[in-house]
Amino acid sequence: DIQMTQSPSSLSASVGDRVTITCRASQSISSYLNWYQQKPGKAPKLLIYDTSSLQSGVPSRFSGSGSGTDFTLTISSLQPEDFATYYCQQSYSTPKTFGQGTKVEIK
Amino acid sequence: QVQLQESGPGLVKPSETLSLTCTVSGGSISSYYWSWIRQPPGKGLEWIGDISYSGSTSYNPSLKSRVTISGDTSKNQFSLKLSFVTAADTAVYYCARTRGLGGPYYFDYWGQGTLVTVSS
Repeated sequence: DIQMTQSPSSLSASVGDRVTITCRASQSISSYLNWYQQKPGKAPKLLIYDTSSLQSGVPSRFSGSGSGTDFTLTISSLQPEDFATYYCQQSYSTPKTFGQGTKVEIK
Repeated sequence: QVQLQESGPGLVKPSETLSLTCTVSGGSISSYYWSWIRQPPGKGLEWIGDISYSGSTSYNPSLKSRVTISGDTSKNQFSLKLSFVTAADTAVYYCARTRGLGGPYYFDYWGQGTLVTVSS
């Protein structure tokens, strides 16, 4: 199985901050990397697919980059509604696997 | 707008079979892939498996011996069966529409999730 490791596991940030979350794959996954946002008690929501494609309806402050084994999710200016847990997920091979999550908390 | 709704028992006894159904509205299961994903309380996400528009399936090897995913196009539903459950199978179970035909694979619409507890 491909292991996905996110860093940090949690972070504290203020509204307006630029936030970067990193996801590292245990082997190359080309560009087959997706990002999800999950709020407490809710289902995950797709933010970005295929490394950098923004899902319809997702604000442009979210962006993704990377290739091979190293990927990042960036929130350019953190908004109150962005406090949540973020997961990366590889779709290069079966089983599809997720990172352990990064919790973004209010500073 | 595609909507998915999970249904099934919230409590299952150890060694029995967990059975869930996902009802899809606003779209046909004869298109796309459809997945099951679970999340133990306070933990991360685990992909269980998927079923394609043609009925072919793919499973997580860690669960493959116990999992069956099937579809019913007449009801626009797909289902999950997980046999010989233990407490480790206690989780919120999500169904999700899956894009993956001829391109990147990702979960774009999710159900609200249903908590299944395994306990005697």
